[in-house]
Amino acid sequence: DAKTTQPNSMESNEEEPVHLPCNHSTISGTDYIHWYRQLPSQGPEYVIHGLTSNVNNRMASLAIAEDRKSSTLILHRATLRDAAVYYCILSASGTYKYIFGTGTRLKVLA
Amino acid sequence: NAGVMQNPRHLVRRRGQEARLRCSPMKGHSHVYWYRQLPEEGLKFMVYLQKENIIDESGMPKERFSAEFPKEGPSILRIQQVVRGDSAAYFCASSPTGTITDTQYFGPGTRLTVL
Repeated sequence: DAKTTQPNSMESNEEEPVHLPCNHSTISGTDYIHWYRQLPSQGPEYVIHGLTSNVNNRMASLAIAEDRKSSTLILHRATLRDAAVYYCILSASGTYKYIFGTGTRLKVLA
Repeated sequence: NAGVMQNPRHLVRRRGQEARLRCSPMKGHSHVYWYRQLPEEGLKFMVYLQKENIIDESGMPKERFSAEFPKEGPSILRIQQVVRGDSAAYFCASSPTGTITDTQYFGPGTRLTVL
């Protein structure tokens, strides 16, 4: 199973953009990149996913490197409610099980 | 459209008792996944079920754990003769088609404490 590497923690000021990096150097050509976040005492919440092209939705943007060995989740204006653990997950072709790492704990400062 | 529902939200059992965790997928979803999360760790896949079928139980311990997803009713994760090491948060997720591009939607989890 392809692995992902994320920083353990990051801090951001409220109202500022946040860039959360993820390395996945062993990614296969058909692996999708998913991002979820988990607020305290809650289940993971879907944020965004992509394959090769950059993706945008109402929550965030996903920037995927040209060689696909890394990606970055972008929160355009962090709020206190964005404080959570963010997981970068690869779903391999032919499988459905998500392999969660330890994620990045994002702290948002008021 | 109600999300994934899990109950109970908190469950306390003594060593040796049985724990039954229930998961009702989102409306229209026929694929259910169970994950376990130990404190300060990421989620670990346990089992994937479709209606009346276990598709992949490679992440589930061979003994004491079982899962089902009957034609009618919720999916059940059953842990027999619980031990302290079973204390964890158990999450289920559901998806509509089970394909690689599917998004899995997670429930709020059941927090199991074994005394």
